[in-house]
Amino acid sequence: SQKIEQNSEALNIQEGKTATLTCNYTNYSPAYLQWYRQDPGRGPVFLLLIRENEKEKRKERLKVTFDTTLKQSLFHITASQPADSATYLCALDPFSTSTGGGNKLTFGTGTQLKVEL
Amino acid sequence: SAVISQKPSRDICQRGTSLTIQCQVDSQVTMMFWYRQQPGQSLTLIATANQGSEATYESGFVIDKFPISRPNLTFSTLTVSNMSPEDSSIYLCSVGGPANTGELFFGEGSRLTVL
Repeated sequence: SQKIEQNSEALNIQEGKTATLTCNYTNYSPAYLQWYRQDPGRGPVFLLLIRENEKEKRKERLKVTFDTTLKQSLFHITASQPADSATYLCALDPFSTSTGGGNKLTFGTGTQLKVEL
Repeated sequence: SAVISQKPSRDICQRGTSLTIQCQVDSQVTMMFWYRQQPGQSLTLIATANQGSEATYESGFVIDKFPISRPNLTFSTLTVSNMSPEDSSIYLCSVGGPANTGELFFGEGSRLTVL
């Protein structure tokens, strides 16, 4: 069966360190994978999208890698801050192709990140 | 990016009643998506709503339980019918970003508690 797995245990790190979150998937072959941030009581907010032909993507302090052989994406936040504390969700569109997708996303359960002073 | 407004933001409902959630977008969009997020769970797609046609439901979701309207390109409603405590959840409306970007924009969600 198809699965998207994220570490359900909260990740606690100290301010200034790099946080690394993992997303593994099975029985999917998505053309791209996305990461979202969700704060308590709020809807998810899009952060980054990485395509299957991109090994790495960066946006400010965020970095995402995508290994289609391992079926894994890693999400890094460098120089983490308490304001980065949130739940981070990975998502993919099972029907995405190299020319686009239908926005019909399947989400992982998310990993809660807590950045402490 | 799209701005999405949902109403109500939260409600407490009695078992057996129905509640309609409204979703308003500040721009015209072809598809709107309704997700459910049960406590401690991730988002699950309920259905895709296209203007002028019947919604397409995902496995495990049926129109009788979750009727959807899509009267125009900026508005949709989701009704949760004959509610039970198992329907207690956050219901989220979302729309897609620019063509072929794949990203989704979400409303703030409607948190329903069924007693």
